[in-house]
Amino acid sequence: SYVLTQPPSVSVAPGQTARITCGGNNIGTKGVHWYQQKPGQAPVLVVYDDSDRPSGIPDRFSGSNSGNTATLTLTRVEAGDEADFYCQVWDTSDHWVFGGGTKLTVL
Amino acid sequence: EVHLVESGGGLVQPGGSLRLSCADSGFSFINYWMSWVRQAPGKGLEWVASIQQDGSEKYYVDSVKGRFTISRDNAKNSLYLQMDSLRADDTAIYYCARARLGRFGDLFFDNWGQGTLVTVSS
Repeated sequence: SYVLTQPPSVSVAPGQTARITCGGNNIGTKGVHWYQQKPGQAPVLVVYDDSDRPSGIPDRFSGSNSGNTATLTLTRVEAGDEADFYCQVWDTSDHWVFGGGTKLTVL
Repeated sequence: EVHLVESGGGLVQPGGSLRLSCADSGFSFINYWMSWVRQAPGKGLEWVASIQQDGSEKYYVDSVKGRFTISRDNAKNSLYLQMDSLRADDTAIYYCARARLGRFGDLFFDNWGQGTLVTVSS
């Protein structure tokens, strides 16, 4: 089975840059998608196809993917960015796979 | 604007059944794969099942195969999840999600409903 590994938590001060990683075997050969989930709310797509943003998502959100690691980068972090973030890929055997999630804390 | 609304959740005893529904509005339902994704209390996201546009292809996570059935009625713009032989570890919020084709030929979830809570307990 295909496994995606995320750090359980990332902390960053307001105005700084947060980087959330997603590790997987040769993940660079797959499309990676990222979701933000604020407490009590449904997930929201923030990055798709490694680095594209849906309309309405600020350009402070960006993504990259290479080798065995994909990364979601959030610049100029704000208090309102606190949330859980999940990466996701499609695998031929497991179909839709999510990472375990990373809790972003703004200090 | 895409608007997905789930219904049908509730409290059910172990071994019981429940049918979830998801009604869409704001987009051409028949053109999209649709999926169910769940989230157990305090846990992460878990994909459950997906169905192709015309219902001819269906996929399930191993833990629900043989117990859950995904279906759709394109005339009613509706998605369903029939859940049988429910177990305590099926307790979760169940989200309906629209799937969109990515440039790598895969599918990702570009719109989600607000979810419906299913609690399996005696």
